[in-house]
Amino acid sequence: KQEVTQIPAALSVPEGENLVLNCSFTDSAIYNLQWFRQDPGKGLTSLLLIQSSQREQTSGRLNASLDKSSGRSTLYIAASQPGDSATYLCALREGRRALTFGSGTRLQVQP
Amino acid sequence: DVKVTQSSRYLVKRTGEKVFLECVQDMDHENMFWYRQDPGLGLRLIYFSYDVKMKEKGDIPEGYSVSREKKERFSLILESASTNQTSMYLCASSSGTYSNQPQHFGDGTRLSIL
Repeated sequence: KQEVTQIPAALSVPEGENLVLNCSFTDSAIYNLQWFRQDPGKGLTSLLLIQSSQREQTSGRLNASLDKSSGRSTLYIAASQPGDSATYLCALREGRRALTFGSGTRLQVQP
Repeated sequence: DVKVTQSSRYLVKRTGEKVFLECVQDMDHENMFWYRQDPGLGLRLIYFSYDVKMKEKGDIPEGYSVSREKKERFSLILESASTNQTSMYLCASSSGTYSNQPQHFGDGTRLSIL
């Protein structure tokens, strides 16, 4: 059964710092990997989707990479801002259409 | 933009009640999903549907049922609510069968069973 791990569980950084969030998975037979943001008490906002054939995707200050062979994905946030404070979740799509989620990284960006 | 709308943000019910959670999407998506989110356990799939009147069990279907009579609407039903069903419930939708399109989520319903 697929296991998805996100490290660290929590992270606090000063504003302006570049940072990397990690996601690892045990079974590389995936269709795609999606990164989400979740604000407290709210639903999930899709940030980036990487297909299994791709190595990376970029959107503004966000860059996500995928290395299926090593079972890893990273989300890079450049020049972090207090508004980036949220929980970040990675999720994999395998054979079925639903997603398998990691437990998330709670990010706090200090002004 | 895709819009997934959950009928209630907060809901308080009593044990033993039959509870309905409603979800509507406006993008003609084939696939719809119900997850629950609990501290320390993350998001877990309850049920999903890939077509009208079609459904499949997820990882934790016990105590729940679903209904999809129209393509845009997917309902989650707690047949006899219990306190261990107190949770955040999230609905999602996506398009296609083998397409690699993202899942889009609603704002969630925080359900408390007293």
